[in-house]
Amino acid sequence: GESVGLHLPTLSVQEGDNSIINCAYSNSASDYFIWYKQESGKGPQFIIDIRSNMDKRQGQRVTVLLNKTVKHLSLQIAATQPGDSAVYFCAETGDYKLSFGAGTTVTVRA
Amino acid sequence: EPEVTQTPSHQVTQMGQEVILRCVPISNHLYFYWYRQILGQKVEFLVSFYNNEISEKSEIFDDQFSVERPDGSNFTLKIRSTKLEDSAMYFCASSKSSNQPQHFGDGTRLSIL
Repeated sequence: GESVGLHLPTLSVQEGDNSIINCAYSNSASDYFIWYKQESGKGPQFIIDIRSNMDKRQGQRVTVLLNKTVKHLSLQIAATQPGDSAVYFCAETGDYKLSFGAGTTVTVRA
Repeated sequence: EPEVTQTPSHQVTQMGQEVILRCVPISNHLYFYWYRQILGQKVEFLVSFYNNEISEKSEIFDDQFSVERPDGSNFTLKIRSTKLEDSAMYFCASSKSSNQPQHFGDGTRLSIL
């Protein structure tokens, strides 16, 4: 069965607002998680990662939160811009492979 | 910034024919991967490759599939006798180690007629 999943398939957000994308995973042994962004016609693009010994990590305009108690991962995008419109995937790593969730399509409204 | 490059961007092949998809991973990466994405679905793992051998493969990666690193820069995926259901985007990825981010190419769209 699917070990990684996202709560909502679509998210519409006003330009300038913050976006929150959620992900649930089922494998409690997972120790490394990655968020990817996929634009139309492109491959997944690395955004940010987090290891299980952390609960928060920040990048440029993005923050990833990890709650191991409830096996939940989220990606926060600050001041969402039109260029942030894409499909976002969370992925967990294990045994030389990535397991992807189904993806959330983010649409930014002008 | 170094990139994973894939060729061709689009491959159209008759059912039953062999196809080879090509990838040039990032030069200092040691781990190589193939994934596929059927239209509208999530990205699925096919195979990982390290030190000239397969590290892991999924149930999708049956006897019709093979991978090869023929030289110091290329990494290929071969499908021996293509089926209609092999139509998908195929992504190559590479990473420095098994526990570091995998970086993806922009894929090859494979269309089987």
